Amino acid sequence: SAVISQKPSRDICQRGTSLTIQCQVDSQVTMMFWYRQQPGQSLTLIATANQGSEATYESGFVIDKFPISRPNLTFSTLTVSNMSPEDSSIYLCSVGNRGRATNEKLFFGSGTQLSVL
Amino acid sequence: AQTVTQSQPEMSVQEAETVTLSCTYDTSESDYYLFWYKQPPSRQMILVIRQEAYKQQNATENRFSVNFQKAAKSFSLKISDSQLGDAAMYFCAYRSNFGNEKLTFGTGTRLTIIP
Repeated sequence: SAVISQKPSRDICQRGTSLTIQCQVDSQVTMMFWYRQQPGQSLTLIATANQGSEATYESGFVIDKFPISRPNLTFSTLTVSNMSPEDSSIYLCSVGNRGRATNEKLFFGSGTQLSVL
Repeated sequence: AQTVTQSQPEMSVQEAETVTLSCTYDTSESDYYLFWYKQPPSRQMILVIRQEAYKQQNATENRFSVNFQKAAKSFSLKISDSQLGDAAMYFCAYRSNFGNEKLTFGTGTRLTIIP
């Protein structure tokens, strides 16, 4: 199993500022995803972080608001830009590997609890 | 697009008893995976059990088992001998085996264990 370090674990931010969340994995992984979990709700995929190329965003999410980097196979960042109170959520990093023998397990970081005032 | 439905927002069970959480999904694909994840107050998403669609045998992990009905597109989770530590949000999730292997989650069921 992969060990995932997600930082920060929580933050309180002012409206209009930006926050960058880091996801570090202890081994190389093929797939990295970023999810958002709004208060009392389920997880919604923001984007797939692609190594060496632009992230693939889901409907309703755009690069200007949620820029993502993935410089290598063990690290990714998600930035929440120009924040508003509606961005208050838990943001989770998820990783996994392709291949039928192993890819059925997607591991999650411990999440970042973001509150925007 | 695939959808996952959990029709029970909340469930409760007496400690040591058995409880079943329901999940249905919609897909036109034949090759996919289904999962149950547990999310305690710590926020950590913990994989409880997984089922491969091409396997007819229901998956079992200790006190956790599933009832997978592929034709009915149903995937329920049975928790036997419920323990206080089982209290959490439970999410059912679908993952295609084609293309982007992202997870699609249901809305979750909050499980309370009554001592």
